[in-house]
Amino acid sequence: GAGVSQSPRYKVAKRGQDVALRCDPISGHVSLFWYQQALGQGPEFLTYFQNEAQLDKSGLPSDRFFAERPEGSVSTLKIQRTQQEDSAVYLCASSLAGGPGDTQYFGPGTRLTVL
Amino acid sequence: AQTVTQSQPEMSVQEAETVTLSCTYDTSESNYYLFWYKQPPSRQMILVIRQEAYKQQNATENRFSVNFQKAAKSFSLKISDSQLGDTAMYFCAFLDGTASKLTFGTGTRLQVTL
Repeated sequence: GAGVSQSPRYKVAKRGQDVALRCDPISGHVSLFWYQQALGQGPEFLTYFQNEAQLDKSGLPSDRFFAERPEGSVSTLKIQRTQQEDSAVYLCASSLAGGPGDTQYFGPGTRLTVL
Repeated sequence: AQTVTQSQPEMSVQEAETVTLSCTYDTSESNYYLFWYKQPPSRQMILVIRQEAYKQQNATENRFSVNFQKAAKSFSLKISDSQLGDTAMYFCAFLDGTASKLTFGTGTRLQVTL
C-alpha cells in the first residue's frame, strides 16, 4: 500500500511489560512523527525524526519512552515498564520533507491497553 | 505555546444539509498553517483541508471550505451537502511555520443523519 502503516493494530500489555510499536512511513518521506491520542482527546506530539536524526523529543512523557529510526525509514516506539496511564492510541505520521507547512499523513494507529 | 480550541464536542446534521465546525487558536506567530483532519471510526486520520496563514483566500476542497479570520484567530470548517460518510471526529490542527509538530484541538464529533 501507499500509505503509512503501523503494527500491531492492537496491543494488550500487563503493567510493567515492555512494548514496541512499529511504523512504516510512506516511501520517500523524510520526516516521521509520533503522536499519542488518549481516549476522547486530540493527538499530542511525542517526537519527530528527519531521516535518522531525532530532532525533537520534547513530547515524550518520561524516560520510559524511547523512539528510534536507525536507517531513516521504519521507526519503532518503545515503552518500557508500561503503566496504566500509557493506555492510548499511538499514531505515526510522515511528511515528504518536514519543511514549513508540510502536510503530515497519518497511519491507522496502534491501540495500546495496559492492564 | 500554541493552543487550539474546538468548543463544540458534538454536532449533528441531516444528510444534504450544511454544517459549520468552529475552531479558534492562539499564537504569537505570523507564519503558520492550519488544517482540518477527519478521523472516522476506523481511526485513520485523513486530511480534509489546509490553509496557509499568509494566504487571504479561503481554501476549498469540493464540499469542504474554510472561513479563515486571521485577526480573530478563527478557522471554521463548512461542510456542504453533508453525506453519511462525513460522520467522524473532526480535528482542527495548527502548525507553526518554524516547527514541525502539529497542535490539535480536542475534536468535534459530527453525526450525519438521514
